[in-house]
Amino acid sequence: QKEVEQDPGPLSVPEGAIVSLNCTYSNSAFQYFMWYRQYSRKGPELLMYTYSSGNKEDGRFTAQVDKSSKYISLFIRDSQPSDSATYLCAMSGYNAGNNRKLIWGLGTSLAVNP
Amino acid sequence: DAGVTQSPTHLIKTRGQQVTLRCSPKSGHDTVSWYQQALGQGPQFIFQYYEEEERQRGNFPDRFSGHQFPNYSSELNVNALLLGDSALYLCASSLAADTQYFGPGTRLTVL
Repeated sequence: QKEVEQDPGPLSVPEGAIVSLNCTYSNSAFQYFMWYRQYSRKGPELLMYTYSSGNKEDGRFTAQVDKSSKYISLFIRDSQPSDSATYLCAMSGYNAGNNRKLIWGLGTSLAVNP
Repeated sequence: DAGVTQSPTHLIKTRGQQVTLRCSPKSGHDTVSWYQQALGQGPQFIFQYYEEEERQRGNFPDRFSGHQFPNYSSELNVNALLLGDSALYLCASSLAADTQYFGPGTRLTVL
């Protein structure tokens, strides 16, 4: 079983729709959860960063972490064509050597159609 | 603030050759991580440098090596290139173990 599972999609929605992107994980030691957005042929861009369980909102984006279910979500409200990109979840926790390493999902490809 | 910069943007090499990729971290960051991203895949962790030493390493062969300089910039070297090394190579910088910020990447094509 992979440490992080993410449905690669592709996901296609009409402009204005609410988008829900999800990742599941198996390592209960993960404490830091991130969502990155990656446009074609560009480096990933940090969208949301959360620590432990709960919700975090930033404009049209809401990140949700449920540690009991080992499940994280990113919601995009009023989606726009400019939101069309690949969305990657990433998470980390400290290992025995007190080091932190990001573990990545494969990414979900999203297309928002005008 | 220039953010994370990488050079070159694109590179074409042939099998067996060697390549060096360069990264300058975001101002104030002291840790550099390197990732390989194949088309349609998430980034795969290669290694991380802190205080000019390799602190962590992913599951990559010794053909992949790196260096960090006193100004925190870093190089990734790949020897004896294989066709399968064709990918987007991403550099990310952070302050110690905090959130990583990515550069635009170097697209390497091995023919």
